[in-house]
Amino acid sequence: EDQVTQSPEALRLQEGESSSLNCSYTVSGLRGLFWYRQDPGKGPEFLFTLYSAGEEKEKERLKATLTKKESFLHITAPKPEDSATYLCAVLGGTSYGKLTFGQGTILTVHP
Amino acid sequence: ETGVTQTPRHLVMGMTNKKSLKCEQHLGHNAMYWYKQSAKKPLELMFVYSLEERVENNSVPSRFSPECPNSSHLFLHLHTLQPEDSALYLCASSQDSAAQQFFGPGTRLTVL
Repeated sequence: EDQVTQSPEALRLQEGESSSLNCSYTVSGLRGLFWYRQDPGKGPEFLFTLYSAGEEKEKERLKATLTKKESFLHITAPKPEDSATYLCAVLGGTSYGKLTFGQGTILTVHP
Repeated sequence: ETGVTQTPRHLVMGMTNKKSLKCEQHLGHNAMYWYKQSAKKPLELMFVYSLEERVENNSVPSRFSPECPNSSHLFLHLHTLQPEDSALYLCASSQDSAAQQFFGPGTRLTVL
């Protein structure tokens, strides 16, 4: 059974204070690892897809990296508008389109 | 309308009511999904449809009944729900089984 564990559960940063979120996973035949951002009362917003170890993707202040066991979401010089819950999900090779999600990391960036 | 839309955004129902949630995707995707998001729990996949055919049913109770009349529309019919079914119900779509899924805004369901 595919499993995803995200840490920390919550992270409080000062504006400009860089940090990283972790997503550890076990999956049978990784077909993709996905990062989403979710604001309160809204649906998840797609950020990145990573397919193989060593791959990196960047978007503004966010950078996602992937190894064979975990993924990191690095946030450089965050701003208050980066405050949200960040979700990690994996797609394994055993079923159609079945994403397994972690519980998420709640990020709060203070001005 | 763009992306994935869901109606209603909020729904309060009694345990004996029958209601339906509606999802529409404007992205030309071939797959659609229903997820349940409860407080303090990860997103849980409920159903997957590919080209209007159900390909995954994640052990969901029969009081939830999905319907996919075409590749753009997805419904979730609800009847005799329990208070523990109160949650945010999210619809998503993707181009194929391996592509990223795009989510709608969700329906906040409260069962009294």
